[in-house]
Amino acid sequence: GQSLEQPSEVTAVEGAIVQINCTYQTSGFYGLSWYQQHDGGAPTFLSYNGLDGLEETGRFSSFLSRSDSYGYLLLQELQMKDSASYFCAVRSRNSGYALNFGKGTSLLVTP
Amino acid sequence: NAGVMQNPRHLVRRRGQEARLRCSPMKGHSHVYWYRQLPEEGLKFMVYLQKENIIDESGMPKERFSAEFPKEGPSILRIQQVVRGDSAAYFCASSRANTEAFFGQGTRLTVV
Repeated sequence: GQSLEQPSEVTAVEGAIVQINCTYQTSGFYGLSWYQQHDGGAPTFLSYNGLDGLEETGRFSSFLSRSDSYGYLLLQELQMKDSASYFCAVRSRNSGYALNFGKGTSLLVTP
Repeated sequence: NAGVMQNPRHLVRRRGQEARLRCSPMKGHSHVYWYRQLPEEGLKFMVYLQKENIIDESGMPKERFSAEFPKEGPSILRIQQVVRGDSAAYFCASSRANTEAFFGQGTRLTVV
């Protein structure tokens, strides 16, 4: 089976940096993705890591360590609009490459 | 992502009725995924389909739920004899092979 663990809630101040961790257990690991969701709206794709290392996309970066079954999403220069839920999701060869999501981290950005 | 179209956006059904949720993937995408989300919870995987094939249905309840993705037309998630516990948001996503998935706006199903 598969399991993903991420913190349920994180609070940070506007302008700060926040890191959301994700640990996973899956056989046939293929890649780790991150999605953002505002207030039950459509989840939007943020980042993908198929190989170890850091991927940077503007204010957002994502990191993967396959040997540690661990990744994180780093959000810099936080803005109020970044308040949302953030989901990590894994693809596995053993499940036909379907995306399986963690339970999400609710990020609250305060003034 | 606006490219994945789901309809209806809101659906109300009485207990025992059937619910049909439709998903048209983005142009060029042949992979479709269905997820269910309860309030304040994560996205629970239900089923993964390619054209005319079910690839992984490990998240689908054994009874009353079915999904298809025909050669022509949208993907359909069908829930027969709905119960109150089926009330949730149902999201569809599409992708090319093994690339990032894009989500539709979801269908909010309410069973009364």
